[in-house]
Amino acid sequence: GENVEQHPSTLSVQEGDSAVIKCTYSDSASNYFPWYKQELGKRPQLIIDIRSNVGEKKDQRIAVTLNKTAKHFSLHITETQPEDSAVYFCAPKGRGYNKLIFGAGTRLAVHP
Amino acid sequence: GAGVSQSPSNKVTEKGKDVELRCDPISGHTALYWYRQSLGQGLEFLIYFQGNSAPDKSGLPSDRFSAERTGGSVSTLTIQRTQQEDSAVYLCASSPGTTTTDTQYFGPGTRLTVL
Repeated sequence: GENVEQHPSTLSVQEGDSAVIKCTYSDSASNYFPWYKQELGKRPQLIIDIRSNVGEKKDQRIAVTLNKTAKHFSLHITETQPEDSAVYFCAPKGRGYNKLIFGAGTRLAVHP
Repeated sequence: GAGVSQSPSNKVTEKGKDVELRCDPISGHTALYWYRQSLGQGLEFLIYFQGNSAPDKSGLPSDRFSAERTGGSVSTLTIQRTQQEDSAVYLCASSPGTTTTDTQYFGPGTRLTVL
């Protein structure tokens, strides 16, 4: 099946710094690439997504870049704030149907 | 509008008992998914429904796990003869179900504890 890896597994930054999380996947047929944020004790929530016909997408302080040739996509958070502290999951769409394959998650800590 | 809801929010049961977990998807969403999340871990796919049929059951860990969906809406995940390793948060998600609208919206989850 699809193999999905996220790096790093933990990330600690100072408030105001940028954070980058990378997700690599194995299924070359994947065509949908979302990032979910999960705060402690809460449900995962979609924060940004990108489709395979686009290389980059931005939404205020958040951006996602996609490299289909290399089979990886990355989450970029600029001007980090303490409320960005959470676990972030990439979840590329696997082969067939709408199944998302979740990475193991990256725990981001933003220190004031 | 209302989001995905799940019940109960917490369930404590004894080893060997059966449990039923319920998911109410967003109205009009034809696709429904069940995931399991163990403490501090990622999300493990269990089963996917399109309407009332389940074209992908590949994630169900054993034959003790089953799920159904009736009327293209509410879904029930049943775990028979629960084991301690079944303890986890069970998350349900729904999406519109078309190939161009893949976004999945998650419910708050049911925290299952098997003693």
